[in-house]
Amino acid sequence: SQTIHQWPATLVQPVGSPLSLECTVEGTSNPNLYWYRQAAGRGLQLLFYSVGIGQISSEVPQNLSASRPQDRQFILSSKKLLLSDSGFYLCAWSVPWASGSPDTQYFGPGTRLTVL
Amino acid sequence: AQTVTQSQPEMSVQEAETVTLSCTYDTSESDYYLFWYKQPPSRQMILVIRQEAYKQQNATENRFSVNFQKAAKSFSLKISDSQLGDAAMYFCAYRLSGNTPLVFGKGTRLSVIA
Repeated sequence: SQTIHQWPATLVQPVGSPLSLECTVEGTSNPNLYWYRQAAGRGLQLLFYSVGIGQISSEVPQNLSASRPQDRQFILSSKKLLLSDSGFYLCAWSVPWASGSPDTQYFGPGTRLTVL
Repeated sequence: AQTVTQSQPEMSVQEAETVTLSCTYDTSESDYYLFWYKQPPSRQMILVIRQEAYKQQNATENRFSVNFQKAAKSFSLKISDSQLGDAAMYFCAYRLSGNTPLVFGKGTRLSVIA
């Protein structure tokens, strides 16, 4: 069965510090991968998605970046965190798109980031 | 751009009763998919139910069912025999066919009263 991991689970960082959040998927090959952010009391905002190694689509211009160094690894980074980067970060995966497939997304446990 | 609207920020239901959460979406496409996700206090997103737009039959999963009205672009979630464990945020989501991302509504917070 497929599983998705995220770490760390919780992170407290000072403004201006770098960030690296990691997401890995097990039990599937060539998944589509997604990074979402959820601010307190709000819905999910798609940040990045990837359909293959080195292929990253950015949905929101900001000081965050994403990379996919391996097939089942997706990393969210920042060189300098802002206060507004605080939130709950969710990684998700789905099977590669196929005609007629609902391409359901399955989510990881999330990382709670607090920028002070 | 596609949008998903959940007009009920909060709902409550008595244990064992039935509740319906509403969702509408805006699209000009005919081939798409709709989802309901549940986010309990742990904050992990859990798929509740999904519906393919080309299917006329409403999806059901145990106590969860949907009322999919394609012409009205409405996709409501009905929870029967509500349980305390159903208390959570519920998000409606939409996506087109192909490698396209999900578009989420802002969520409905459901409380279950014992």
